[in-house]
Amino acid sequence: QQQVKQSPQSLIVQKGGISIINCAYENTAFDYFPWYQQFPGKGPALLIAIRPDVSEKKEGRFTISFNKSAKQFSLHIMDSQPGDSATYFCAASIEDSSYKLIFGSGTRLLVRP
Amino acid sequence: DAGVTQSPTHLIKTRGQQVTLRCSPKSGHDTVSWYQQALGQGPQFIFQYYEEEERQRGNFPDRFSGHQFPNYSSELNVNALLLGDSALYLCASSGTGAPPYNEQFFGPGTRLTVL
Repeated sequence: QQQVKQSPQSLIVQKGGISIINCAYENTAFDYFPWYQQFPGKGPALLIAIRPDVSEKKEGRFTISFNKSAKQFSLHIMDSQPGDSATYFCAASIEDSSYKLIFGSGTRLLVRP
Repeated sequence: DAGVTQSPTHLIKTRGQQVTLRCSPKSGHDTVSWYQQALGQGPQFIFQYYEEEERQRGNFPDRFSGHQFPNYSSELNVNALLLGDSALYLCASSGTGAPPYNEQFFGPGTRLTVL
């Protein structure tokens, strides 16, 4: 119940294309859903986050879509750039658990020039 | 602001040894969480420290212990190292309260190799 399942494991997109990464969860108590970006040799960096009271959040080229009834959420990267090539992790947390993060297994994104 | 800093960057130990990893949180943050990231996997929560006490703990054995100091910095100790403890150990700091104040900022990690 504490798992967050992420797909695909890897993704190749052409420059200018849309990258889509999906996550699903079981625990309906989750109330905070961040996405992290990680470059090799670096720690994860927060990209964008959403709470379940909204269905979509957009920040620049990054959009989270949230479907509470399906217990799914996804990250869309518009106009993907080679500099976006990194590993992306979805995560979920619960306020009552001090917001400890439960991470998905990650998606390695490669954006070809 | 230096952000979250961790030391050392890399560490090589042998089975059975003990290791201590260190973390300094981002300025203004009072909560420190530790995560273990195995190669090709997502980070897994080890524990969280707040007000010098362990507030939450993940599914890790007692060989993993920690400490938080009055200046909010933290240590992660691992005893009786196993080969499976080889991983990137990440420290994350955050403030108190609901998002965005609780957003976790990660350090670059310490790469531990157990031979």
